Amino acid sequence: DIQMTQSPSTLSASVGDRVTITCRASQSISGSLAWFQQKPGKAPKLLIYKASILKSGVPSRFSGSGSGTEFTLTINSLQPDDFATYYCQQYNSYSRAFGQGTKVEIK
Amino acid sequence: EVHLLESGGGLVQPGGSLRLSCAVSGFTFSSYGMSWVRQTPGKGLEWVSSISGSDSSTYYADSVKGRFTISRDNSKNTLYLQMNSLRAEDTALYYCAKGDCGGDCYLTDYWGQGTLVTVSS
Repeated sequence: DIQMTQSPSTLSASVGDRVTITCRASQSISGSLAWFQQKPGKAPKLLIYKASILKSGVPSRFSGSGSGTEFTLTINSLQPDDFATYYCQQYNSYSRAFGQGTKVEIK
Repeated sequence: EVHLLESGGGLVQPGGSLRLSCAVSGFTFSSYGMSWVRQTPGKGLEWVSSISGSDSSTYYADSVKGRFTISRDNSKNTLYLQMNSLRAEDTALYYCAKGDCGGDCYLTDYWGQGTLVTVSS
């Protein structure tokens, strides 16, 4: 099964910062990578799919890149609403595994 | 607006059964694949099962195969998950999620708020 590893597990940042989260796959998943945002007590929300395509309505300060086994989620100019946990998910293989999550917290 | 509402969670003893439901609105239910995904503090997010919209073909994670059954009633816009032979490790928050296609959609684009299943004696 494909394993997904995110880093860091926790990230402390301030409003206005640029933050980057990395997601690595144990084998190539081509561009079949999604990013989700989850706030406490809420369902995950799809932000990005196909590694870099923003879902309609997602602010343009979010961006994704990568292919194969290494991917990044970047948030430019972090806003108060962005403090949350972010998950990557591969959807290239049957297991459709998720990363363990990266919590973005207020510094 | 897409809306998914899960129900049916609760406390059940090991070896017991539970049936989850997910009522949806805001899209043509029969045209989309649907999934169940569960979340625990320890194991994180785990895909459980999917069902296609086109022919109701079903798909399962190895961890639940043979114990869980996914189904749908397109006339009621409702997704189900019948869970039998429950184990402590099935304790989780269960989400239903809409697929982005008509078949076995590996990608999901909308999720419900979840229903909590606790397996304990």
